[in-house]
Amino acid sequence: AQSVTQLGSHVSVSEGALVLLRCNYSSSVPPYLFWYVQYPNQGLQLLLKYTTGATLVKGINGFEAEFKKSETSFHLTKPSAHMSDAAEYFCAVTPWSGGGADGLTFGKGTHLIIQP
Amino acid sequence: DAGVTQSPTHLIKTRGQQVTLRCSPKSGHDTVSWYQQALGQGPQFIFQYYEEEERQRGNFPDRFSGHQFPNYSSELNVNALLLGDSALYLCASSLFRGGANVLTFGAGSRLTVL
Repeated sequence: AQSVTQLGSHVSVSEGALVLLRCNYSSSVPPYLFWYVQYPNQGLQLLLKYTTGATLVKGINGFEAEFKKSETSFHLTKPSAHMSDAAEYFCAVTPWSGGGADGLTFGKGTHLIIQP
Repeated sequence: DAGVTQSPTHLIKTRGQQVTLRCSPKSGHDTVSWYQQALGQGPQFIFQYYEEEERQRGNFPDRFSGHQFPNYSSELNVNALLLGDSALYLCASSLFRGGANVLTFGAGSRLTVL
């Protein structure tokens, strides 16, 4: 079984400041990890994914995340926030043993607010 | 190239009724998954269809059923609607052997149960 905990239902940062969204997971088998973004009235869009190999993963729109097995974490960062980054962000996990084809387990999401 | 399309976008039903939601996957994709997203929550996995069969199911009652057609499109059916079924229902398509379950999501069907 897997679970995802996203610390902070709302995160507010100033435009140009560092964005840090926290995600911790629980999985009985090695995980595949994902970050998705959801804009109002839209579906989810993949930001980045970790499968195997390099633990620092770069995604779209300047986001990146680092898989830390010892901390069971997969925090999302962006060096400089833009107004267009305001959205809902979801961390998700699926077991490696499913070949990456199994259903995803999502966290409850973090609403990112960008202050001008 | 059209992505994932879902219909209807919004609908209102009353308790006890039945509802059918439809999904057309992204061109080239052969797998369809359905998720329920309650207000203020993350999506929850309902089930996944591949080769016209339910391949995997989340923790949802039998009131939730589905179907996949030969053209890979899919339907989600919910019987005996409850107030708690009010949610955004997301369809996601993928290529089964594409690895790492990279999903393409539709914009969803928002169901309100009164």
